[in-house]
Amino acid sequence: EDKVVQSPLSLVVHEGDTVTLNCSYEVTNFRSLLWYKQEKKAPTFLFMLTSSGIEKKSGRLSSILDKKELFSILNITATQTGDSAVYLCATTNAGGTSYGKLTFGQGTILTVHP
Amino acid sequence: NAGVTQTPKFRILKIGQSMTLQCAQDMNHNYMYWYRQDPGMGLKLIYYSVGAGITDKGEVPNGYNVSRSTTEDFPLRLELAAPSQTSVYFCASTPGAISEQYFGPGTRLTVT
Repeated sequence: EDKVVQSPLSLVVHEGDTVTLNCSYEVTNFRSLLWYKQEKKAPTFLFMLTSSGIEKKSGRLSSILDKKELFSILNITATQTGDSAVYLCATTNAGGTSYGKLTFGQGTILTVHP
Repeated sequence: NAGVTQTPKFRILKIGQSMTLQCAQDMNHNYMYWYRQDPGMGLKLIYYSVGAGITDKGEVPNGYNVSRSTTEDFPLRLELAAPSQTSVYFCASTPGAISEQYFGPGTRLTVT
């Protein structure tokens, strides 16, 4: 059974801090890893990673994948209160009848205090 | 483009009632998915479809049924609602199996 585990489960920081969120996975026929941000509504897409060692960056957020050690990290620098959300990691599987399905981790709740 | 739409936004059901959660997308995506999210948890896949006429079970299919007669619509049917089905339900679609998934706004369902 595919498994995605995120850590920490929750994190409280102050504005300006840098945070690192972790995601490890055990997935058969792994194709890609995705990060989503969820603020009390539907998840919104952040990054999709398919290759090891290539950093994806968007403003203060960046992410990298290690396919040998089976993990990914999401970094947020100079955090702001608007970064408070649940961050979800998910993997896609392209094998057999599981083609395309997302397996989600349990999420990391990030709270940024002013 | 409306993207992925879901109706209703909220619903309260009594135990044993049935209902259909509607999901539609106007992006001509082949792949569609139904997830449920319980409080403090990630999303769990209920059913998915890789095209009209083709559906398959996800991790937690018991108590649910789906159909996919058109590319646009992917309704989720609950028969004999149970309190364990109290959750937020998200529908998603994607053009390809390794593309990002686009999520609808969700339906919050309470079964009492």
